[in-house]
Amino acid sequence: NAGVTQTPKFQVLKTGQSMTLQCAQDMNHEYMSWYRQDPGMGLRLIHYSVGAGITDQGEVPNGYNVSRSTTEDFPLRLLSAAPSQTSVYFCASNDGGSGQPQHFGDGTRLSIL
Amino acid sequence: GIQVEQSPPDLILQEGANSTLRCNFSDSVNNLQWFHQNPWGQLINLFYIPSGTKQNGRLSATTVATERYSLLYISSSQTTDSGVYFCATYSGGYNKLIFGAGTRLAVHP
Repeated sequence: NAGVTQTPKFQVLKTGQSMTLQCAQDMNHEYMSWYRQDPGMGLRLIHYSVGAGITDQGEVPNGYNVSRSTTEDFPLRLLSAAPSQTSVYFCASNDGGSGQPQHFGDGTRLSIL
Repeated sequence: GIQVEQSPPDLILQEGANSTLRCNFSDSVNNLQWFHQNPWGQLINLFYIPSGTKQNGRLSATTVATERYSLLYISSSQTTDSGVYFCATYSGGYNKLIFGAGTRLAVHP
């Protein structure tokens, strides 16, 4: 059982480039989320989804897009990378009901030059 | 929105020592999670504990929801306990976790 899988693990981009961070889960979870973690801070929510075809903004959504065409996949797109988006990105999923903990992927470390 | 505060921010222990980490939240919550982020950056879910006490080996957690705090106890600490410990609560739906800033723990042999 792979759980939540994120790719790539590391990426370096130049300012202005675009890219997609991939996230897949095999637990048939309804809910999926993207967070970013900056040095010395906890995680902050970027976007989330409560099911296929349904997405919404979190705390820090600017500069990012998401879509949810299947239950399993929830990609995060950086439209035009900026140095302020240098961070570690985590994808998470959970079952949606109360009392269900979130399960996290191993993260993607992204550097924008 | 709800605020989550953790203390202490940093903690240094000698192997074998015990410690208590605290998480305070600004409003009543009906869910609370503790995570350990290991030195490789992985986030491991330790406890889902909306109230009461749970134990898992050398770790235990207690949440007193009416007083808006949770405690994580680490007994007989080991070097593998090193890392950052986060508490978090769902806010506005069961997909939006609000995290504290974490407690960075270093256990020395």
